[in-house]
Amino acid sequence: GAGVSQSPSNKVTEKGKDVELRCDPISGHTALYWYRQSLGQGLEFLIYFQGNSAPDKSGLPSDRFSAERTGGSVSTLTIQRTQQEDSAVYLCASSPREGYEQYFGPGTRLTVT
Amino acid sequence: AQSVAQPEDQVNVAEGNPLTVKCTYSVSGNPYLFWYVQYPNRGLQFLLKYITGDNLVKGSYGFEAEFNKSQTSFHLKKPSALVSDSALYFCAVRGPYNQGGKLIFGQGTELSVKP
Repeated sequence: GAGVSQSPSNKVTEKGKDVELRCDPISGHTALYWYRQSLGQGLEFLIYFQGNSAPDKSGLPSDRFSAERTGGSVSTLTIQRTQQEDSAVYLCASSPREGYEQYFGPGTRLTVT
Repeated sequence: AQSVAQPEDQVNVAEGNPLTVKCTYSVSGNPYLFWYVQYPNRGLQFLLKYITGDNLVKGSYGFEAEFNKSQTSFHLKKPSALVSDSALYFCAVRGPYNQGGKLIFGQGTELSVKP
């Protein structure tokens, strides 16, 4: 079946602009996660959605970062007023339920110039 | 706090030889442990997990991992390495029970298998 998809695959933006990154999880998966992968910080958890519960935003690095999940499916991660340190690969993962293995999308490579 | 350590940045192995990628963990409570592999410019692919049961866990592509509670280790192994196994490997532990199953990753180990 179809895996997790993310768009765009690559995004180059100027410092100060806003960006939106999209994730389509595996159909039927109730848990959705966003992670960031960068050279200096490795793989970091950003935010977690489970069904209709309030999201766990504990990993978001600043208030410039936000995410939503509409209809329990597609998720959008928004970064406002991008900074150069936001440059990284943003990975989305979904899971049939929390605690189970997570299935990752190919990622969005964000470059802030 | 939950944490994972991968003590080797890089592991070099000759094709056909056995390989081991090391991982140690620190958790409160029972550990949920995972291995993932990342090929260049790709997302992470799930290899195997330990939640409970047999200490030897078998996964995808001929990989296995041994859970050792006394040594708090979860090393990834394969009896005979292939050149195509060359990739970046991540060990991960589930975060605290009340934090929704987020994964905490090690820094990764680059595996290089030479012909």
